[in-house]
Amino acid sequence: QQQVKQSPQSLIVQKGGISIINCAYENTAFDYFPWYQQFPGKGPALLIAIRPDVSEKKEGRFTISFNKSAKQFSLHIMDSQPGDSATYFCAASGGRNTPLVFGKGTRLSVIA
Amino acid sequence: DSGVTQTPKHLITATGQRVTLRCSPRSGDLSVYWYQQSLDQGLQFLIQYYNGEERAKGNILERFSAQQFPDLHSELNLSSLELGDSALYFCASSPRQGRETQYFGPGTRLLVL
Repeated sequence: QQQVKQSPQSLIVQKGGISIINCAYENTAFDYFPWYQQFPGKGPALLIAIRPDVSEKKEGRFTISFNKSAKQFSLHIMDSQPGDSATYFCAASGGRNTPLVFGKGTRLSVIA
Repeated sequence: DSGVTQTPKHLITATGQRVTLRCSPRSGDLSVYWYQQSLDQGLQFLIQYYNGEERAKGNILERFSAQQFPDLHSELNLSSLELGDSALYFCASSPRQGRETQYFGPGTRLLVL
């Protein structure tokens, strides 16, 4: 059962543009929402994470927006660069012994 | 470099065979997680160990088993392999358990022929 739905599956953005990736969840017990970045041949690495007590978190060019009532959260990459080209996974977790549930990933390509 | 090591990097085997994947967590991390990544299913959580004890189980087949040893390294055993088991297998570790950063290893690419 897919508990975190991620879209789009792939995304092509011009250099300097804004990349937006969306995720939706159903389980209201989820209270931790990380985003992972994966480059080809590497394991995923934590990019940024948010908890539902805030609606937005920004780290450099990366921003998570969180809408608790809609059960949606999104990743915005401002001023996208070719080096941002990677696969991005959203995830969610809801408790101490609750494993992360990952979305299916978005392959981002930033072209010059 | 995440500090998590996995061996081997690549593994090619035949259907029906059994393989063991090994993971060494970051120094000091007590939790180890195993994931399977395939093209159509994304990252699927298999199982978690914390300080030697199984703590959470995901979509792990009965043909698969895992354990975490006293030195905290972990092994994932895959038996009676099928073509569909071909995938990337990642190990991740974290200091404790729950809502914290998981550090992923480089993965083991398994090809079942």
